[in-house]
Amino acid sequence: DTEVTQTPKHLVMGMTNKKSLKCEQHMGHRAMYWYKQKAKKPPELMFVYSYEKLSINESVPSRFSPECPNSSLLNLHLHALQPEDSALYLCASSQVGRRPNTGELFFGEGSRLTVL
Amino acid sequence: GENVEQHPSTLSVQEGDSAVIKCTYSDSASNYFPWYKQELGKGPQLIIDIRSNVGEKKDQRIAVTLNKTAKHFSLHITETQPEDSAVYFCAPRPPGANNLFFGTGTRLTVIP
Repeated sequence: DTEVTQTPKHLVMGMTNKKSLKCEQHMGHRAMYWYKQKAKKPPELMFVYSYEKLSINESVPSRFSPECPNSSLLNLHLHALQPEDSALYLCASSQVGRRPNTGELFFGEGSRLTVL
Repeated sequence: GENVEQHPSTLSVQEGDSAVIKCTYSDSASNYFPWYKQELGKGPQLIIDIRSNVGEKKDQRIAVTLNKTAKHFSLHITETQPEDSAVYFCAPRPPGANNLFFGTGTRLTVIP
């Protein structure tokens, strides 16, 4: 099973709403990532979790709050977002520290977020 | 952080022709050089990668070549097909880093 599943596929929310994006993988990967992708741009790294602990936060505003409740799940909690936060949010996973480490990131299809 | 540029930003080729995309990076410590393909409505997917101890790698119609001295690597697609139409990203990575920072992207269109 080489699949990363993201839900919901589409989300529309107001600036005062609280919502969450969810990501799940069952490949035994211990690194999980959130990326943000605006139209016609490359994915931008937001957060990295390694062994369920936050290892990288790319100076993301606090209105985005990641959570990794276990090795298979990754959430992104959204609160008080701005219209400019509208984008495709991609989740990915990879091996950590195993040999051979292929270095490959496996991406989900993304959650397309619209903030009104 | 790593400064990564791709050229060209858009590329149109006739079906059956070859396509070449170049990725230039700034961090001389980078030792892992993957290419990802992103089709419309999907997440990026690894299509080929190369490590710094190898100069070239080929997998059927796709190949990657590396010039570490000049700090660039290229994706070569031969006998292009309409299903090769997508956005391609390079993502060079230094040792010890598990995350990826993507290049600027190249939109390839294969005209039937």
